[in-house]
Amino acid sequence: DAGVIQSPRHEVTEMGQEVTLRCKPISGHDYLFWYRQTMMRGLELLIYFNNNVPIDDSGMPEDRFSAKMPNASFSTLKIQPSEPRDSAVYFCASSLVRSPLHFGNGTRLTVT
Amino acid sequence: GQQLNQSPQSMFIQEGEDVSMNCTSSSIFNTWLWYKQDPGEGPVLLIALYKAGELTSNGRLTAQFGITRKDSFLNISASIPSDVGIYFCAGQLNNAGNMLTFGGGTRLMVKP
Repeated sequence: DAGVIQSPRHEVTEMGQEVTLRCKPISGHDYLFWYRQTMMRGLELLIYFNNNVPIDDSGMPEDRFSAKMPNASFSTLKIQPSEPRDSAVYFCASSLVRSPLHFGNGTRLTVT
Repeated sequence: GQQLNQSPQSMFIQEGEDVSMNCTSSSIFNTWLWYKQDPGEGPVLLIALYKAGELTSNGRLTAQFGITRKDSFLNISASIPSDVGIYFCAGQLNNAGNMLTFGGGTRLMVKP
């Protein structure tokens, strides 16, 4: 099992630029989650999908953030335009129903 | 929203010592999970607890699901240097999709 795969591992960009983070969940998992981790706020749920449909996006900070899941094996989290306060580690996780989440290794985003 | 209070925030111990950390919640959960995060990686599941009062072991790790369903603890016996990392508790509700609410983490440092 390859686990949850995220890309890129590191992203450095300038304020105002568009950033796209990518995730491939574990095959067969029907839930996909995007979390953000910072020192100040810990792990925060941004959005989650069930069977490719967004279920709860109440954690998405603002309209600059958007997430899509066009099929069961791929999801993106986009920030446009990016700001320095978006700097964080973004994790994708997937799971089966009522089962523990499996996390990817994250994308460390730095916005200068 | 639900809050998880995890303590202690950090621990610095001598190799060979036992470690105990806990989480408390303002409301109940159906599942308690304990994760460990190593630097530059995503959280990895250590133990999952599904029933109130359940006591589960995984090697040197032991965790319990409190009978009130509002708390859980994790013990590590005979700590070794590779136990270093951040330990997170997480609560899951059956009627909230598969969302996890995370504690703030316990940073464990082990002195050889």
